[in-house]
Amino acid sequence: KAGVTQTPRYLIKTRGQQVTLSCSPISGHRSVSWYQQTPGQGLQFLFEYFSETQRNKGNFPGRFSGRQFSNSRSEMNVSTLELGDSALYLCASSLVGRYYGYTFGSGTRLTVV
Amino acid sequence: DQQVKQNSPSLSVQEGRISILNCDYTNSMFDYFLWYKKYPAEGPTFLISISSIKDKNEDGRFTVFLNKSAKHLSLHIVPSQPGDSAVYFCAATSGNQFYFGTGTSLTVIP
Repeated sequence: KAGVTQTPRYLIKTRGQQVTLSCSPISGHRSVSWYQQTPGQGLQFLFEYFSETQRNKGNFPGRFSGRQFSNSRSEMNVSTLELGDSALYLCASSLVGRYYGYTFGSGTRLTVV
Repeated sequence: DQQVKQNSPSLSVQEGRISILNCDYTNSMFDYFLWYKKYPAEGPTFLISISSIKDKNEDGRFTVFLNKSAKHLSLHIVPSQPGDSAVYFCAATSGNQFYFGTGTSLTVIP
C-alpha cells in the first residue's frame, strides 16, 4: 500500500516569502501530524489534525499554520519565512489510537535564503 | 522544554558487538514509548515499542528496556550490523501527541 507522500521534496525560498507544503497520508489514516527537524533539536512537534480539526499544537509562532481536508490530506503553511525556518518538515499519519504509532513521509527539505 | 532527551548525539560500535542507545524522559504521565530509525533523505520508520506496564520488549535483534523509576529507556541491538547505521529517535506519549528526543547517530563499523 502507498506510504505517506510529501510534496515537494525540496524547496528553496527567500526570506519574507510564504510556503505551502503538502502531505497525503496512508489511506484510512485520519490523523496527520507535522514535525520540524533541525540539527540538534530533534523532531519538534508542530500540530496534529484529526478529521479536519486541529487537535494538538506545538510551541511554534502563528506564522506556522495548517489544515486538513475531508480526504485527510493536509497542508502546512509558513508565512513571512525566516532563515531559521530552514529545516526538514516531516508529516506523519496514524490510525485512530496512539498505540499504532506514526508512519512518516520522507519529508520536505526547506531552505530559506 | 525537552521532555524526552537523548544525551548521546553519536555512538560508534564494532560490527557484531552490542549497541546500547539511551533515552531519558521527565513526564511521569508517559505510558507508551517507541523507537524510530532514520536513514538520510528518508522519514523515520518505526522500530519497536513498549508499554509502561512492561519493562522489556524484544523483537529479533532489538530489545527495549524500560525503567520507570529512573524514567529511562534503552534500546539494545545485538549483534550490531553495518545496516543498522542510522539516527535513532526515542519517543514517548501519554495521549495523542508524541514527544521525540534529539536522536543518536549510530555508526556500526565493519
